[in-house]
Amino acid sequence: SQTIHQWPATLVQPVGSPLSLECTVEGTSNPNLYWYRQAAGRGLQLLFYSVGIGQISSEVPQNLSASRPQDRQFILSSKKLLLSDSGFYLCAWSWGGSGNTIYFGEGSWLTVV
Amino acid sequence: RKEVEQDPGPFNVPEGATVAFNCTYSNSASQSFFWYRQDCRKEPKLLMSVYSSGNEDGRFTAQLNRASQYISLLIRDSKLSDSATYLCVVNGDTGRRALTFGSGTRLQVQP
Repeated sequence: SQTIHQWPATLVQPVGSPLSLECTVEGTSNPNLYWYRQAAGRGLQLLFYSVGIGQISSEVPQNLSASRPQDRQFILSSKKLLLSDSGFYLCAWSWGGSGNTIYFGEGSWLTVV
Repeated sequence: RKEVEQDPGPFNVPEGATVAFNCTYSNSASQSFFWYRQDCRKEPKLLMSVYSSGNEDGRFTAQLNRASQYISLLIRDSKLSDSATYLCVVNGDTGRRALTFGSGTRLQVQP
């Protein structure tokens, strides 16, 4: 069966500090990978998605970036965090093709102070 | 207009009640539809897919109306454990392999 792991689960970072969130998927190959963000009381916002190694599509201009160094690894980064970057970050995967079910990791709570 | 719109609620219902949520979507070319459930401070989890002919899974029934571009979720015999936020999900843009999530409808089932 397929599993998705995301870490760290919780972090508190000062403004201007860097960020790295990591996500790995097991039990499948060549998945579509996604990073979503959910601000407090808000809906899910798609940040990045990837259909293959090194292929990243950005949905929203921001100070975040994503990388996919390996088939089942997806990393979300920032060089300098802003207060507005606080939120619940969710990594997710789906099988290839459009409109397939998305499966989420357990999420990472980021508080920028 | 938002791609996917939901009434945020909350819907406060007693145990045993029947409750229905609706969701509208803007892209008439959308092909895939889902309901996800999200508990407080947890990740969303797939509740059920929504098929053109409508489908049922136990106490949950989903319907799709393509002409009016809305999706519904009916929950019968509500349980306390049904309390959660229900997210309507659509593949709004076939040009990218990602789903668009509504902001969710919060349900609180009361004893």
